[in-house]
Amino acid sequence: GPKVLQIPSHQIIDMGQMVTLNCDPVSNHLYFYWYKQILGQQMEFLVNFYNGKVMEKSKLFKDQFSVERPDGSYFTLKIQPTALEDSAVYFCASSLGGRGLYFGSGTRLTVL
Amino acid sequence: GDSVTQTEGLVTLTEGLPVMLNCTYQSTYSPFLFWYVQHLNEAPKLLLKSFTDNKRPEHQGFHATLHKSSSSFHLQKSSAQLSDSALYYCALSEAGGNYKPTFGKGTSLVVHP
Repeated sequence: GPKVLQIPSHQIIDMGQMVTLNCDPVSNHLYFYWYKQILGQQMEFLVNFYNGKVMEKSKLFKDQFSVERPDGSYFTLKIQPTALEDSAVYFCASSLGGRGLYFGSGTRLTVL
Repeated sequence: GDSVTQTEGLVTLTEGLPVMLNCTYQSTYSPFLFWYVQHLNEAPKLLLKSFTDNKRPEHQGFHATLHKSSSSFHLQKSSAQLSDSALYYCALSEAGGNYKPTFGKGTSLVVHP
């Protein structure tokens, strides 16, 4: 089936540093998403993105977060600066309209 | 606004027994409904989707029927397997909107021998 790739699979950084999470969505998909999942908890929506713009963001999408997808390259989530509470697994997803989301394998972010 | 309700946080079953996970929704328009499954330490995967009333999609032995009259999309399987143990999310997205799915809180299914 369609594959969404996330790079890296794990990232360990010191609090206050910047981190960029990369996502290579399904090639013909138009809508892109980031979700956050803390260990043992439900997955929570962060932001979605279409046609170069943020469509909607949740309260979890703090001012330190930003997303972009320059010219069809990776869809990225940048956190600057990071905080301890940002430690989680971040899932990227993409979709072709309303036909369902395809998720990547996630990036496990550990902020020390 | 849209909402999805999964009433059970945890369902525990003996292998071989039937599975039913509840999902009801509220939506202004006619939404698309989905079930996603997330196994431990894995990404969520699309399990089922339904786009028209009273069609019954099936995958891996699971099926769900969209009933607009009761705003429900319950997930069912005739016989639970140990490998079905996972977290199951029901979700909806509206046609013509920004397609952001609204997820339920998830139901954890534990199947034991």
